[in-house]
Amino acid sequence: GQQLNQSPQSMFIQEGEDVSMNCTSSSIFNTWLWYKQDPGEGPVLLIALYKAGELTSNGRLTAQFGITRKDSFLNISASIPSDVGIYFCAGRITISNFGNEKLTFGTGTRLTIIP
Amino acid sequence: DGGITQSPKYLFRKEGQNVTLSCEQNLNHDAMYWYRQDPGQGLRLIYYSQIVNDFQKGDIAEGYSVSREKKESFPLTVTSAQKNPTAFYLCASSIRRDALGSGGPIEYFGPGTRLTVT
Repeated sequence: GQQLNQSPQSMFIQEGEDVSMNCTSSSIFNTWLWYKQDPGEGPVLLIALYKAGELTSNGRLTAQFGITRKDSFLNISASIPSDVGIYFCAGRITISNFGNEKLTFGTGTRLTIIP
Repeated sequence: DGGITQSPKYLFRKEGQNVTLSCEQNLNHDAMYWYRQDPGQGLRLIYYSQIVNDFQKGDIAEGYSVSREKKESFPLTVTSAQKNPTAFYLCASSIRRDALGSGGPIEYFGPGTRLTVT
């Protein structure tokens, strides 16, 4: 199956810094989802995007659905210790009006905050 | 509380044994999914089911089997044919897209089961 190119693979930042990560694909997606995963836990949904150009915020998090429908980015402002974890993007191509097409996941961005 | 339950959290098995991982949801979701996660990698789809008594293979179905006899349950069996079974297994569920007025289905994940086979 295809995978999304997610970058960077890892980030080491100081508390209070802003963070930016992105995902790109060779395919067009109709939906972009951003998840956060803590060690040993399941991913938790952060933001869902459904329209090209859409910009959506959730607290200090902002995500955008790229105009070309082949990319998305996630920004975190003023990072805090609980932001540590792995962030995954996921995209879906809608093929039909019936049923749920599969999600394709990025390889993740591991965020570490340096004290 | 509504949610997705996976049990146990940690599972240890000897090579050559089949093992079944449990996944239960009380969200009234139609679709359920099993993913595998290896260290430093993203999630790969094993099997998914959009409705009771129906399921489809994902990208890495070889060596796995599932059943969907009840809407709330989607157990995964890791068979002895799976060559590298040690991994973190995640179950997810979502509402079917044709049941939504707008937007799209969102997969909600369980807490995962870490399977170690030695």
